[in-house]
Amino acid sequence: EAQVTQNPRYLITVTGKKLTVTCSQNMNHEYMSWYRQDPGLGLRQIYYSMNVEVTDKGDVPEGYKVSRKEKRNFPLILESPSPNQTSLYFCASRIYGGTVNTEAFFGQGTRLTVV
Amino acid sequence: DAKTTQPPSMDCAEGRAANLPCNHSTISGNEYVYWYRQIHSQGPQYIIHGLKNNETNEMASLIITEDRKSSTLILPHATLRDTAVYYCIVRVGYGNKLVFGAGTILRVKS
Repeated sequence: EAQVTQNPRYLITVTGKKLTVTCSQNMNHEYMSWYRQDPGLGLRQIYYSMNVEVTDKGDVPEGYKVSRKEKRNFPLILESPSPNQTSLYFCASRIYGGTVNTEAFFGQGTRLTVV
Repeated sequence: DAKTTQPPSMDCAEGRAANLPCNHSTISGNEYVYWYRQIHSQGPQYIIHGLKNNETNEMASLIITEDRKSSTLILPHATLRDTAVYYCIVRVGYGNKLVFGAGTILRVKS
């Protein structure tokens, strides 16, 4: 089954304690991205990656890092989490290239609370 | 990418067709119309997309006006499980990101 898998689904952590949210897709997609969703602000892109070792900032990258060492994995790293990073996070993937019009597949989400 | 306008909420009776409108008056010739939905706090789910022709798949139909300035997503027989936030997004096919607006909250009622 084609899917994007995020872990953990729920996480409560303390300010300043480094954490990583993993994302893995089994569709051989080139393009992967991270979004956060906050009430009243909708879904906003944090970082994206067009292929292995190619990453770039989205609209709200401050306080986050990513890496793309393998095509299937795109972890989101919070080096020093703060309460304003409490949010619902989604990873997404899709085919990338040329004029191909493709759908994006989203993970089930990670609800992060930073206290 | 062009901006879209959707009503904030709509109600629909179970078993009836749900027609969700979207205005995208500044759409350009190479931009596609995509529809996604988000059920409760799950990940957004792709529904359908189109350029200028009407499209249909197993989930829904997409009707795009001839001038392409607006479109309608049609769920032919809405069920309670179709209650969700529906997002209309306009972007070029190879564009990097999906820009989600506020969407339309569709409530299907029995």
